[in-house]
Amino acid sequence: DIQMTQSPASLSASLGETVTIECRTSEDIYNGLPWYQQKPGKSPHFLIYNANSLHTGVPSRFSGSGSGTQYSLKINSLQSEDVASYFCQQYYDYPWTFGGGTKLELK
Amino acid sequence: EVQLVETGGGLVRPGSSLKLSCATSGFTFSNTWMNWVRQAPGKGLEWVALIKDKYSNYEANYAESVKGRFTISRDDSKSRVYLQMNTLRDQDTATYYCTRGEDYFDYWGQGVMVTVSS
Repeated sequence: DIQMTQSPASLSASLGETVTIECRTSEDIYNGLPWYQQKPGKSPHFLIYNANSLHTGVPSRFSGSGSGTQYSLKINSLQSEDVASYFCQQYYDYPWTFGGGTKLELK
Repeated sequence: EVQLVETGGGLVRPGSSLKLSCATSGFTFSNTWMNWVRQAPGKGLEWVALIKDKYSNYEANYAESVKGRFTISRDDSKSRVYLQMNTLRDQDTATYYCTRGEDYFDYWGQGVMVTVSS
């Protein structure tokens, strides 16, 4: 199985700050990586696909980048509604696997 | 509007069975691959099962942790997907989400809780 290592596990940031979440895979997944946001008590919400393509309706302060085995999610100008957990996933090979998640809180 | 609504969760004893159902609307179900993804309390996400569409002969794939115990199925006439869970274990306790997608999951249901406990 492809292992997904997400970092950091938790993150505290101030409003307006830029935050970056990393996802490292155990092998090259050729950009087969989406990002999801999950607010407390809610189901996950799809943000980004193919590592860097923004899903319809997702604010432009979210962006994804990376290639090979290293990927990242960046949130510019952090808003209060961005407080959530964030997960990466790979769909290069079965079984599809997720990163352990990053819990983002306000400082 | 795309909607996915799961039902069928509950509290069951280890070794018992449960069948989850997901009712869908707002998209062409018959040519959409469907999945179940679960999340244990306070934990991360785990993909459980996939069922492809009729054009892919309804092929199913499973996570190793549920292979041989869980069966995913679909009824295109009702736009529903199911998860039959047999020989349930304590570690199957989780919120189960119905999702759609061939690779990434662009829509998720609200989730249904399954608790396996004696």
